[in-house]
Amino acid sequence: KAGVTQTPRYLIKTRGQQVTLSCSPISGHRSVSWYQQTPGQGLQFLFEYFSETQRNKGNFPGRFSGRQFSNSRSEMNVSTLELGDSALYLCASSFPDNEQFFGPGTRLTVL
Amino acid sequence: QQQVKQSPQSLIVQKGGISIINCAYENTAFDYFPWYQQFPGKGPALLIAIRPDVSEKKEGRFTISFNKSAKQFSLHIMDSQPGDSATYFCAASRAGDSSYKLIFGSGTRLLVRP
Repeated sequence: KAGVTQTPRYLIKTRGQQVTLSCSPISGHRSVSWYQQTPGQGLQFLFEYFSETQRNKGNFPGRFSGRQFSNSRSEMNVSTLELGDSALYLCASSFPDNEQFFGPGTRLTVL
Repeated sequence: QQQVKQSPQSLIVQKGGISIINCAYENTAFDYFPWYQQFPGKGPALLIAIRPDVSEKKEGRFTISFNKSAKQFSLHIMDSQPGDSATYFCAASRAGDSSYKLIFGSGTRLLVRP
């Protein structure tokens, strides 16, 4: 089985721009979770989607949003980028239990 | 109550030694405790996980010990190898939330000297 894939792997944006990251889960997995990883804050939960519905959300501002498509692929969007949004964004998929498998991440740099 | 506290922050072990990383949690509703291994430039990889109905789980050189009354769990890496040098994260989640949200510890950077 192919693992979780994330695109793009690297992104450089400037403050004020918006960005969309994509995640394709493991085939058959219906849950997709997103995490932000930074040296200062560690791994923090952003949100989780299951069967196209957001079923949990972390403590992040409304500039962070996501969605899931009928094929379980997911996207997350960050609008009005700030310098502090520079991070590794990780996607994890799981089903039917809560064993989560992570993708390689998207490294976002905001200048 | 949502925190998972991990220690030590960094660890240096000689090849062949035992690496021990500890985690503590407060929320007694947590019922799934995985450990992840992360190499630079990679995403975290699921190493081993335990549920509160057992006190120990072993997979190869990796063992999780779980103490429900103390609300602590630990990862033991036996016969540590230089290839084990990575950052290790403990985590916890609560199935009752109908969500797979993981709360992560702060990570332990392990260096195994040859």
